[in-house]
Amino acid sequence: QSALTQPASVSGSPGQSITISCTGTSSDVGSYNYVSWYQQHPGKAPKLMIYEVSNRPSGVSNRFSGSKSGNTASLTISGLQAEDEADYYCSSYISSSTLYVFGTGTKVTVL
Amino acid sequence: EVHLEESGGGLVQPGGSLRLSCAASGFTFTTYSMNWVRQAPGKGLEWLSYISSGSSDIYYADSVKGRFTISRDNAKKSLYLQMSSLRAEDTAVYYCTRDEMRYYMDVWGKGTTVTVSS
Repeated sequence: QSALTQPASVSGSPGQSITISCTGTSSDVGSYNYVSWYQQHPGKAPKLMIYEVSNRPSGVSNRFSGSKSGNTASLTISGLQAEDEADYYCSSYISSSTLYVFGTGTKVTVL
Repeated sequence: EVHLEESGGGLVQPGGSLRLSCAASGFTFTTYSMNWVRQAPGKGLEWLSYISSGSSDIYYADSVKGRFTISRDNAKKSLYLQMSSLRAEDTAVYYCTRDEMRYYMDVWGKGTTVTVSS
């Protein structure tokens, strides 16, 4: 199972909005509404930011939102802040036995 | 507070074995499935293995199938990963994660580092 495709890097100025794409296939992203997004600061563990395409866990800022169209999921960060600078990974459910595939990861830089 | 803490990482020679542990606290461990995920230096995340709450369902990524064994002790609120026939490419930070319905991982430990080198 190949990793989901994400842009290597995305940047934006404080206050702007950015969108990170996550492209899979009809066997993963396109088949299930089970896309999740994780934020990882350097040297830290990943943190769940979005689950089931567009749901935010308690405590996650509403500046983070998720969506999906066809085989591509997206994470949008609005009102970009310095603390949002981190790596972001998408993930999708694949099947009852393989379970998870992660994206290649995107480094977000706040200019 | 919900918490996962991994331990057992270290330096091991190629072909060697290592057992990782993950201690859970702050939630009812017996009702949750769990996973192991790793991250090689400078690389992305890789899902390795899943175990259901009662250990009846166990799955592995192809990259570790036959070499790694996941297990759990609900009485001790602990998750384990027995790793054997280790290779240089198994060098990574290993995270244990709490699973939600097999659809996402909502709690992550801080990770433990495994280095496979002679």
